[in-house]
Amino acid sequence: EPEVTQTPSHQVTQMGQEVILRCVPISNHLYFYWYRQILGQKVEFLVSFYNNEISEKSEIFDDQFSVERPDGSNFTLKIRSTKLEDSAMYFCASTRSNYGYTFGSGTRLTVV
Amino acid sequence: AQTVTQSQPEMSVQEAETVTLSCTYDTSENNYYLFWYKQPPSRQMILVIRQEAYKQQNATENRFSVNFQKAAKSFSLKISDSQLGDTAMYFCAWGNQFYFGTGTSLTVIP
Repeated sequence: EPEVTQTPSHQVTQMGQEVILRCVPISNHLYFYWYRQILGQKVEFLVSFYNNEISEKSEIFDDQFSVERPDGSNFTLKIRSTKLEDSAMYFCASTRSNYGYTFGSGTRLTVV
Repeated sequence: AQTVTQSQPEMSVQEAETVTLSCTYDTSENNYYLFWYKQPPSRQMILVIRQEAYKQQNATENRFSVNFQKAAKSFSLKISDSQLGDTAMYFCAWGNQFYFGTGTSLTVIP
């Protein structure tokens, strides 16, 4: 069964550093998403991406965040200057329609 | 505002028994999708079941079924013949970009 692949599985970064989280969505999917889950809390929507542009974003997705689909296969989330409160599990998801998203296995980001 | 409420933070069930996890949501939209996701200790997010709001028939996937009450904005998940591998967090989610509930931690007791 096709999978959404996320790398790395765990990233440790110093506060203030830039970090890029990578995702390879399922190849025939058209909609791409990033979510985050702070430990022990619910999953929160960050941003959706369709047709090479952001279609929606949440209040969490401020100027420190950006997304890119640089080569038609990867879908990246960049955090420009990480803060301690950015420590969370970040999930990428993709879908061809609204018929159920496929999530990646997540990247655990730890900011120290 | 769209909200999803899961009022049971923790639940437990004996192996082979049936358990129901509740979920309510609030929306003014008429057409939408609802989902239940399972998050085992590995923290992956695994789709369990989905329901389209315009379909009156409740969705079923093997041991998992939903009780969808559109007027009441209720979307509960029933797990029959519970297995140890069902132990996980279960998140109810609504809509196109997913509003998630806070989750229910389910433990299946041998």
